[in-house]
Amino acid sequence: SQQGEEDPQALSIQEGENATMNCSYKTSINNLQWYRQNSGRGLVHLILIRSNEREKHSGRLRVTLDTSKKSSSLLITASRAADTASYFCATLRRLRSGGSNYKLTFGKGTLLTVNP
Amino acid sequence: NAGVTQTPKFQVLKTGQSMTLQCAQDMNHEYMSWYRQDPGMGLRLIHYSVGAGITDQGEVPNGYNVSRSTTEDFPLRLLSAAPSQTSVYFCASSTLGQGSAIAKNIQYFGAGTRLSVL
Repeated sequence: SQQGEEDPQALSIQEGENATMNCSYKTSINNLQWYRQNSGRGLVHLILIRSNEREKHSGRLRVTLDTSKKSSSLLITASRAADTASYFCATLRRLRSGGSNYKLTFGKGTLLTVNP
Repeated sequence: NAGVTQTPKFQVLKTGQSMTLQCAQDMNHEYMSWYRQDPGMGLRLIHYSVGAGITDQGEVPNGYNVSRSTTEDFPLRLLSAAPSQTSVYFCASSTLGQGSAIAKNIQYFGAGTRLSVL
């Protein structure tokens, strides 16, 4: 079953507007990551937030994490047409305490369309 | 620096045929994994490896085999292809931090292999 679930499934906005995508998950995690996928391409890592962090910024990206609600949000400010892509959240969970095995589970993604 | 390289980019198979999807990384990453991506399903983990000689199953391992004889390579084998295996396959790699370092792992993805099974 999917650990992360993004909301909405699709989002269409005008250039210059802000885009907000949400991710909910079910179990405890070590970190939550956001990835971007342009059509027909592989995924590219955008930003990582650890379970003991609440907010993180990277350029026009802002990620928040609420572990009590098991949810995260990705905000893209001042969007551009080039931001058009699918965005995925992924949760990382260590499989054994103190061990190095982990499981990274992806959600189904949000398709963002930024209209010029 | 090539990163993660997947071959082939496209493949068409007939039901029952076998093939191997290749994945190689040049970043000396311990952790490698295979995902399949289907419309509306996101990415689902097929198999993963935490180092040479060590592999384990993910969410959807049936119909696929893997091996990890070197740190660099992690091939995915379809022994008898089925139409349900039509998908886009992605290989990824990352470091394998222990303790608090595990909280910093990020995945580097290949460009994908688009597979059709007729």
